[in-house]
Amino acid sequence: EAGVAQSPRYKIIEKRQSVAFWCNPISGHATLYWYQQILGQGPKLLIQFQNNGVVDDSQLPKDRFSAERLKGVDSTLKIQPAKLEDSAVYLCASSFRLAGGPMSYNEQFFGPGTRLTVL
Amino acid sequence: KQEVTQIPAALSVPEGENLVLNCSFTDSAIYNLQWFRQDPGKGLTSLLLIQSSQREQTSGRLNASLDKSSGRSTLYIAASQPGDSATYLCAVLWRNAGGTSYGKLTFGQGTILTVHP
Repeated sequence: EAGVAQSPRYKIIEKRQSVAFWCNPISGHATLYWYQQILGQGPKLLIQFQNNGVVDDSQLPKDRFSAERLKGVDSTLKIQPAKLEDSAVYLCASSFRLAGGPMSYNEQFFGPGTRLTVL
Repeated sequence: KQEVTQIPAALSVPEGENLVLNCSFTDSAIYNLQWFRQDPGKGLTSLLLIQSSQREQTSGRLNASLDKSSGRSTLYIAASQPGDSATYLCAVLWRNAGGTSYGKLTFGQGTILTVHP
C-alpha cells in the first residue's frame, strides 16, 4: 500500500514570495491533515479536512495561508506572502476516518514532509 | 488547556541499555495516544497506538503503557541499538463530549534519543 505522498521535499524562497505544497493521501482515506513543525517542536495542526470539507482550521493563519482539497483526494497548502517565521516542515497526514469504528480507522499516517526555508 | 509534555528533551545511552521515555498529558479525556518516531529530515513513523480503554501495547522491543488517571504514558525500549537513534514524539487524540474525537493530534515536544555503540 502506497503511503502519503508530498511534494516538493524542499523549498527555499524569499520573504513575501508565495509557495504551494501538494499532498496525496493514502487511497481511501477520507480525512486529511496539514501540520506545521517548527524546528525543535512537535507538529501543530493547521487544518483538517473530512472529504472535501474543512473540519478544523482554527490554527491556520488565514491572512496568509490557504488550503483546499478538491474532489476529496489531493490537497494543496499555499502561503502568500511568506514570512521568516513560516520556516518549518509542513507535514501532511491522512486517516481512514475521523473517529469511531475499529482502532485502525483513526490512526494517522504521515508523509515525508516539505521543508520550507524563508530567507 | 489540553497539553502534552515529554521529558527528558534529550537522552544519550550506551547500546544494549533498556530505557524509558515519558509523556504526560493534562486532560484524562483522551481518545487514543500514539507514539511516533522521526528520523532527521523525515516524516513521522507510527510506532504504537493505545486506545483509551487499553493499558499497554507491545511491538517487538517496544512497549507503551497508558495511565489516564495519572495523565502519563511511557515508551519502554528494550536492548537499545544505534538504529534506535531518532526523535520520539508522543501525541494525544482528545475525546469530545460526544465520546468520539475531533481528530486533532496534540504533540509533545519530543525526546531526542542517541544510542552510542
